[in-house]
Amino acid sequence: AQKITQTQPGMFVQEKEAVTLDCTYDTSDPSYGLFWYKQPSSGEMIFLIYQGSYDQQNATEGRYSLNFQKARKSANLVISASQLGDSAMYFCAMREGNKAAGNKLTFGGGTRVLVKP
Amino acid sequence: GAGVSQSPRYKVAKRGQDVALRCDPISGHVSLFWYQQALGQGPEFLTYFQNEAQLDKSGLPSDRFFAERPEGSVSTLKIQRTQQEDSAVYLCASSLSSGYEQFFGPGTRLTVL
Repeated sequence: AQKITQTQPGMFVQEKEAVTLDCTYDTSDPSYGLFWYKQPSSGEMIFLIYQGSYDQQNATEGRYSLNFQKARKSANLVISASQLGDSAMYFCAMREGNKAAGNKLTFGGGTRVLVKP
Repeated sequence: GAGVSQSPRYKVAKRGQDVALRCDPISGHVSLFWYQQALGQGPEFLTYFQNEAQLDKSGLPSDRFFAERPEGSVSTLKIQRTQQEDSAVYLCASSLSSGYEQFFGPGTRLTVL
């Protein structure tokens, strides 16, 4: 079974509108972390936002927010007020175990976002 | 420039050649990771260092892949007798310590002919 599933291979969004990128995960470990990264055409992975499994509140970072629904094992990324520079690939990733455990990231297949002017 | 740097950015190798890819992590970052990203896919974990110790190499696809970080800073990923299936972008990431967010370098695009 896939540990991280991103079901939207590509999306168009109008500039200044909000967009939600879906991510579901699968783990039996009670302690884990969820990350979102942006990868523009230049290739570098840019860290956006983090949510820990024990965090009580949804993470927010500027225009990025994470809609964390633990019971449904989903961690959707919401980008508000889209900008042309948001056009990129977006990856959801998971670290299993607590911080002291490492650890490697397991990535989903990504969602390509294209922002239209 | 205080980010993760990688060299070379692009490498073309003939099948059977050995290659060495270098990663300079952010200064002071204890943890270092290597990932392999095939075209159109998400990165896949290769190996992980905590200082100079290689704590996890479960993702290395074969014994042709070897990584080292002898002084706990710069790391080198070596691929021996390259095959066409080794063609990918190799990403290096570092983090302050285990479990913290990882900061990625620009990657090395390896093409094996």
